[in-house]
Amino acid sequence: AQSVTQPDIHITVSEGASLELRCNYSYGATPYLFWYVQSPGQGLQLLLKYFSGDTLVQGIKGFEAEFKRSQSSFNLRKPSVHWSDAAEYFCAVGPRAGNNRKLIWGLGTSLAVNP
Amino acid sequence: DVKVTQSSRYLVKRTGEKVFLECVQDMDHENMFWYRQDPGLGLRLIYFSYDVKMKEKGDIPEGYSVSREKKERFSLILESASTNQTSMYLCASSPPEENTEAFFGQGTRLTVV
Repeated sequence: AQSVTQPDIHITVSEGASLELRCNYSYGATPYLFWYVQSPGQGLQLLLKYFSGDTLVQGIKGFEAEFKRSQSSFNLRKPSVHWSDAAEYFCAVGPRAGNNRKLIWGLGTSLAVNP
Repeated sequence: DVKVTQSSRYLVKRTGEKVFLECVQDMDHENMFWYRQDPGLGLRLIYFSYDVKMKEKGDIPEGYSVSREKKERFSLILESASTNQTSMYLCASSPPEENTEAFFGQGTRLTVV
């Protein structure tokens, strides 16, 4: 079955510390991969996406993610977290021949940032 | 910038009422989506529309219908609201091409009492 797993439901880090949010997927073929962020009470905003090419992708707000085909992973990283990064983070995968209709979503990781 | 606007941030409705959630996008996108978001369940697709008057059921369409009379507007209708439809509702849009992402509205927090 196709699925996306975000193993960490909640993560707390100190401001200035590094961050890695995990995303593992089970999919029949190499999918398109996305990371979205949702600030409290808001909609989702795209952080970054991977379709092809360089497996290390850069996104907004200083985030990056690395696609590892052998591990079926697409982990999100940031070298130094800011208090404003406290939010919910969602990983999603979709088919290459698709139109977002069949996106599969992880359940999200809630990030808290200590001052 | 793409803008997806949901007509209400917060709504409180009574059980049995007919509820309309409105969504408008300004980027001429063919695809539009309605999701509901619940703690521990993530995002679940209710309905998808790929063109005016065209729609497909998502994963949880029961108790909902949709309307898309104009390209920019996609409405979610709760025919008879129930308390188990209390949730955050998210609208999104995207172009038809591959290699594109979905753009989300700010969400509507619906409470059915």
